[in-house]
Amino acid sequence: DTGVSQNPRHKITKRGQNVTFRCDPISEHNRLYWYRQTLGQGPEFLTYFQNEAQLEKSRLLSDRFSAERPKGSFSTLEIQRTEQGDSAMYLCASSLRTSSTDTQYFGPGTRLTVL
Amino acid sequence: AQKVTQAQTEISVVEKEDVTLDCVYETRDTTYYLFWYKQPPSGELVFLIRRNSFDEQNEISGRYSWNFQKSTSSFNFTITASQVVDSAVYFCALRLTTDSWGKLQFGAGTQVVVTP
Repeated sequence: DTGVSQNPRHKITKRGQNVTFRCDPISEHNRLYWYRQTLGQGPEFLTYFQNEAQLEKSRLLSDRFSAERPKGSFSTLEIQRTEQGDSAMYLCASSLRTSSTDTQYFGPGTRLTVL
Repeated sequence: AQKVTQAQTEISVVEKEDVTLDCVYETRDTTYYLFWYKQPPSGELVFLIRRNSFDEQNEISGRYSWNFQKSTSSFNFTITASQVVDSAVYFCALRLTTDSWGKLQFGAGTQVVVTP
């Protein structure tokens, strides 16, 4: 039974570069979430997919951020023209929509450092 | 607006001591879910418990126990006879039943340090 996986685990980039992260959810989970966690804080919601449809985006998700989930399987989160303020841990979670009691299971995160 | 407050930033205990983590939440909704997650140094958030607002029974799982009090909007977590492996950041989170997408609202977390 494999959990949620995320790649890469760490990414160091220079300001202005584009980065892309990948999340592979637990198989058969139809819901996928992205959160961002800065140092000393709890995760903050970024966006949500149900199957391949992106159904909600937080105001934290500026125009430089884009997320996709083609075919309702893995998801990618791209940040264009990175800024130092983008440095954070990016967490992915998945869940299986049954009733209203689905629990989100998280991956190990991708830690982004923007120099 | 919803809010989750974990007032304790860090708690340090010696192994075998009990430790209680406080969580206070705010919401106008009458139905919701509360969660606790553990984040060890590796970074992955590990699910510990989910509690719905209709169920105020306390729960015990091994050395972990949870005290949910709707009257005071609190969902506290106790680790009994702490061990070094319990050292982690613990997050309390709230999810509204009315939120179809089920996003979680987290508190800032409490760092637990257990020393031998």
